[in-house]
Amino acid sequence: ELKVEQNPLFLSMQEGKNYTIYCNYSTTSDRLYWYRQDPGKSLESLFVLLSNGAVKQEGRLMASLDTKARLSTLHITAAVHDLSATYFCAVSGTSGTYKYIFGTGTRLKVLA
Amino acid sequence: GAVVSQHPSWVICKSGTSVKIECRSLDFQATTMFWYRQFPKQSLMLMATSNEGSKATYEQGVEKDKFLINHASLTLSTLTVTSAHPEDSSFYICRGEGQDFSPLHFGNGTRLTVT
Repeated sequence: ELKVEQNPLFLSMQEGKNYTIYCNYSTTSDRLYWYRQDPGKSLESLFVLLSNGAVKQEGRLMASLDTKARLSTLHITAAVHDLSATYFCAVSGTSGTYKYIFGTGTRLKVLA
Repeated sequence: GAVVSQHPSWVICKSGTSVKIECRSLDFQATTMFWYRQFPKQSLMLMATSNEGSKATYEQGVEKDKFLINHASLTLSTLTVTSAHPEDSSFYICRGEGQDFSPLHFGNGTRLTVT
C-alpha cells in the first residue's frame, strides 16, 4: 500500500527565512506532485516531477525529486506572508490511471 | 486551461437526507473521476475511482451504498451522499483525468454540513 508522509506537519517561520518541506513515499512511483491549498479552497498545482533528479522552480519555491530515496523536497527561499498555506505532495501509482495518494500536508505560516 | 466545474460549492442538509454533488469537465473528456474527502485540517483521502460507463471502485473503509457514484458520461460524474449524518460533514473534491493525465483538473470542492 502506497503511503506518503510529509514533515514537518506545521511550520511557522519568519519572513525572509528559508526552509524545506520533506515528502517521503513508501513504494515505487513515477510521478510526484506538489499542491498548495488555501483555507476553504481546492488545490492549486505547483509542480509535477516526473523523473529522478528532477528540479523545478517557480518564484520562491523549488521542488526536487530523488526516486531512489523516495523523497521529494519543497524548498522555500526568503519566505513572504503570501506563501502561508497548506502544502501537499501527492504520489501516483505506476499502474493504469494516476490515482493520487496525498501526503499528510504541511501547514505553513509565514509571520510578517 | 482545462476546468472541472463542481457544484454545489457548499450545502447544508438535515440528517437523514441525501445530497448530490456534481463534477463536470468543461473542455476535456474525463475518462476517470476521482473523489476525495477532506476533514478539517487533514489531508485528502481518496474515496473512490470511477471510469465512464463502469462501476466505481471504492477504497477500503468507504461504504459504497452510502456514497453512490455515477459516471455516465465523459463530462459528468456525480457523488450522492445518502442518508447523510453529521459525521459525513466534510469537504468533498473531485479530480477528472483525461487523456493528458494533467494534474490540474480538480474541482473547486463542496463543503457539506449535515445538521
